[in-house]
Amino acid sequence: GAGVSQSPSNKVTEKGKDVELRCDPISGHTALYWYRQSLGQGLEFLIYFQGNSAPDKSGLPSDRFSAERTGGSVSTLTIQRTQQEDSAVYLCASRDGFNYGYTFGSGTRLTVV
Amino acid sequence: AQSVTQLGSHVSVSEGALVLLRCNYSSSVPPYLFWYVQYPNQGLQLLLKYTTGATLVKGINGFEAEFKKSETSFHLTKPSAHMSDAAEYFCAVSESRGNTPLVFGKGTRLSVIA
Repeated sequence: GAGVSQSPSNKVTEKGKDVELRCDPISGHTALYWYRQSLGQGLEFLIYFQGNSAPDKSGLPSDRFSAERTGGSVSTLTIQRTQQEDSAVYLCASRDGFNYGYTFGSGTRLTVV
Repeated sequence: AQSVTQLGSHVSVSEGALVLLRCNYSSSVPPYLFWYVQYPNQGLQLLLKYTTGATLVKGINGFEAEFKKSETSFHLTKPSAHMSDAAEYFCAVSESRGNTPLVFGKGTRLSVIA
């Protein structure tokens, strides 16, 4: 597509439920990143996929968080047993192999109640 | 490890005045440096980037930034602020190899007063 698409744009869930956030990167972009943006905290790196390499999961805050990227394209970030501190905007970005600037999606605003 | 410090979580300027947003970085290898802008309820948009070559980088919307290795700085400037410049601005750094994720500063909110 023309840009990075994220869905849903907003998600309200009850504490303890699982949620799935979707990211559809720009076609042909080999690298895909997930970040979390909390109020006043800037952007926190979560996970990074590069081509067929094993993902860099070093930013995932707990084992309740996981992500996969199918067919080198769409990615899903899953948060199990959500907690109130998981409330944030989750941003996805992709880039091609030559341009070091990321293209970001508009994000998913997650609210855990 | 890399890090970014943005001085001032909130900067307020008058319309037509100079905009200066400060960014200092820490990196053990030659850095690539970026400025992004975020408007309310939107994702981040790339303003400009420094990778190699000329240290004064010009970006969109009249913004520019200068890479100063000796000062480990990459401050963002614009000669004359417009109301439409009001947004959140993020400075970011990555290793020049390009295989590591961007590390972002905490952001600076720019307000423009009429």
